[in-house]
Amino acid sequence: NAGVTQTPKFQVLKTGQSMTLQCAQDMNHNSMYWYRQDPGMGLRLIYYSASEGTTDKGEVPNGYNVSRLNKREFSLRLESAAPSQTSVYFCASRNSGTGVSFDQPQHFGDGTRLSIL
Amino acid sequence: AQSVTQLGSHVSVSEGALVLLRCNYSSSVPPYLFWYVQYPNQGLQLLLKYTSAATLVKGINGFEAEFKKSETSFHLTKPSAHMSDAAEYFCAVSDLSGGYQKVTFGTGTKLQVIP
Repeated sequence: NAGVTQTPKFQVLKTGQSMTLQCAQDMNHNSMYWYRQDPGMGLRLIYYSASEGTTDKGEVPNGYNVSRLNKREFSLRLESAAPSQTSVYFCASRNSGTGVSFDQPQHFGDGTRLSIL
Repeated sequence: AQSVTQLGSHVSVSEGALVLLRCNYSSSVPPYLFWYVQYPNQGLQLLLKYTSAATLVKGINGFEAEFKKSETSFHLTKPSAHMSDAAEYFCAVSDLSGGYQKVTFGTGTKLQVIP
């Protein structure tokens, strides 16, 4: 049971470099999310995709872009990395189905630990 | 706007003692509430969820949580702590915002279990 798979697991970048974090889920979920986790701040939503072909900003979108490549894959791109983007990044997916289903939990990957020097 | 407050960023208990992790929520509508657990170097895993079917919710690994509307609380408990319970725990509240499921997470409580 793969669930949500994130690559890479670790990455070190220099300021100004770009990179793409990959996320794929095999649960046929409609909704996918990108969060960042920083000490003492919990998880903060960067972007989300309610369904294939749609993406929307979360609470901390600046400096990031996303692509919902297909139903399975949702990537996060840092165009010009900054030290403030050093964090652990989590991708999540959720079975939203038709209509509204508030009680469906999110399923998380194991994270990408990103350091920007 | 919904919010979640977890009291205590660190909690220490002795092995075999009661675990109590506190969560208070603020929501303008009846909430859907979740507890997640995060082990080191892993993502979050669902422990349990409240969906209004019952106020006392049982989850995995012997954890349970009680929804108290009058106190706007959803505290997580376990009668007897095990060493394997050492992890970070997140409370979360979910409702509809702008047409999608908005989930707001608390800042987390790290549980230390002392042998």
